[in-house]
Amino acid sequence: VLTQSPATLSLSPGERATLSCRASHSLGRSYLAWYHHKPGQAPRLLIYGASNRATGIPDRFSGSGSGTDFTLTIGRLEPEDFAVYYCQQYDISPRTFGQGTKVEI
Amino acid sequence: EVQLVESGGDLVQPGGSLRLSCAASGFTFGTYSMNWVRQAPGKGLEFISYISPTSSAIYYADSVKGRFTISRDNAKNSLHLQMNGLRDEDTAIYYCARVITTSGWYEDFWGRGTLVTVSS
Repeated sequence: VLTQSPATLSLSPGERATLSCRASHSLGRSYLAWYHHKPGQAPRLLIYGASNRATGIPDRFSGSGSGTDFTLTIGRLEPEDFAVYYCQQYDISPRTFGQGTKVEI
Repeated sequence: EVQLVESGGDLVQPGGSLRLSCAASGFTFGTYSMNWVRQAPGKGLEFISYISPTSSAIYYADSVKGRFTISRDNAKNSLHLQMNGLRDEDTAIYYCARVITTSGWYEDFWGRGTLVTVSS
């Protein structure tokens, strides 16, 4: 089980966002991904392997963590960053997603 | 540019059937594994089914096993999901996604989804 916190994060453009994803069991290989999703749009991969930015993802996005605690940090929020963020673990079967953190203005 | 476009979503009665399709372009479709993932209203994302590049490996979530069938046509760059015995709880947006399998197994590109509503 992946637990994301907070459920909602209210911030302003230019501020820093810190999102948490906690796993109920240790992810020994740090196989954790983060996705950005806006309603009506395709989810977008941001981070894989806990800390690797996907192709084309700006460096204001960074992932960190290991074991059971993982973090997505958005350095300075741009208008397009206000969305829902999901973490996903693909370390342990079955693969699971977190319930999401909504980053709102 | 990688593009995935889902189609086939509709309103269907419980117990009914529906076939979803996903048209892929911008990459060599036949060399990638593909997934279907869904999102029910107000809920998070849920993995539904996986298919390897040559269809030699196929997996399903327990929630759809025995009712849904994934398939692909590499000659036509298309992915399909045959859904039978639909239930109210299958109501969701269904996404197709390209899968990376080099280090673990995660989705790197997704479509915008197609809406399936199961209701009488």
